[in-house]
Order: sequence, then C-alpha cells, then structure tokens
Amino acid sequence: DAMVIQNPRYQVTQFGKPVTLSCSQTLNHNVMYWYQQKSSQAPKLLFHYYDKDFNNEADTPDNFQSRRPNTSFCFLDIRSPGLGDAAMYLCATSRAGMQETQYFGPGTRLLVL
Amino acid sequence: RKEVEQDPGPFNVPEGATVAFNCTYSNSASQSFFWYRQDCRKEPKLLMSVYSSGNEDGRFTAQLNRASQYISLLIRDSKLSDSATYLCVVYSSASKIIFGSGTRLSIRP
Repeated sequence: DAMVIQNPRYQVTQFGKPVTLSCSQTLNHNVMYWYQQKSSQAPKLLFHYYDKDFNNEADTPDNFQSRRPNTSFCFLDIRSPGLGDAAMYLCATSRAGMQETQYFGPGTRLLVL
Repeated sequence: RKEVEQDPGPFNVPEGATVAFNCTYSNSASQSFFWYRQDCRKEPKLLMSVYSSGNEDGRFTAQLNRASQYISLLIRDSKLSDSATYLCVVYSSASKIIFGSGTRLSIRP
C-alpha cells in the first residue's frame, strides 16, 4: 500500500503559468518535506513542515511556496515556473524529525514549456 | 568543499563481486547518517541507517568513521538488482539534512 502519494506523476506547464503539486501520506508522520531533484544531482531540500510549523531553506526561491492544510496533505505551489524549474519534485515524510528515516513519494516530474 | 561528498562513479563490477564506496562529510557535529538507494527515475528508498558501531544487513555493511568523517557502504556478493545510485545522507542539528550527489553502481552479468 502506498504510504506517500504524489499527484500528478507528470506535470506539464507553460512558462509563467502557476502549478500546484500535491502530496498525501497515510503514515501520520509529523514532518513533511519537499525536495527538488535535477538529473544526476542530489535532492535539494526546499522546505519542510514540522507539524504546522513551516521551515523554509535559505536558498529556496520565493517562487516556491507550500501549504499544509492538515497532517495528511502538503502542497507545493510554483507561482511562475521558469525553464530552470523543470525537475523531479519529491515529497517525503518522517515520523518526528530530520534525524529519522524519510519515506519518499514517487515524485512528480515537472516539465516547463 | 561540499558538505557531503561522494565519488559519482560509475562503479562497474561483475556479479558476485564485493564493492565498497565512501562518503565524506564536513560537519564534525553531524549526528545521523543514512544510505539511501535510488533507482533510475524513481524515488530514494532507505537502504540502511549507519550506527556508530557499524551495522550489517544481509550483504550490506555500513561503517562510520567519526575521526576521519566518513561513512562507508560495502556490498558483498553483488547482484544485478544492486545496480542503482547510492545516496549518502547526513543530518546535523546545524546544517540539517544534506544529501550527497550519489554514487552510481552498475553490476554486469
């Protein structure tokens, strides 16, 4: 059974057109993360929620926003996608903190035309 | 210097061989260490946590060397299905969670 679900799996958007990626989890974990991963690179943490507390990485562009309306769901909003934002976006969860195992969703591959 | 560094490989070894690779980290206060496996175009999945005393899970052995600030992964009797990218992950309360860029491993028949 899928524990971290991401929709859609593939997303095509136009340059500058807002897009929202979604993530849900059935693990009841407190922490949810969004990562950006480009080809042959390490996953790059964009931000994470510890429960309702939002933690933005210092180098995450303002173009990226996130919402976590409840424990199970987390959204990544890209307000004005640029060509450089084409990547795999990975959602992950951990039970209580970053020092614990993270469980990843299958990712959403974003293409910007 | 990157906070977490890995040899990108690829390591190309025959089935049945033993292969090992390291990951170095720069923050001496790092607290938690992990190896994740990532198949092509898939998500990372935990392979094993790395404990101070070293730990083994079947054909896989992980070691931590705090003095030299590296962790290692040893794979014995490698299988074709071990072909993947292995990501080193380091956590510290200061620099949070850092992923290495990964080491590509290819097992040939």
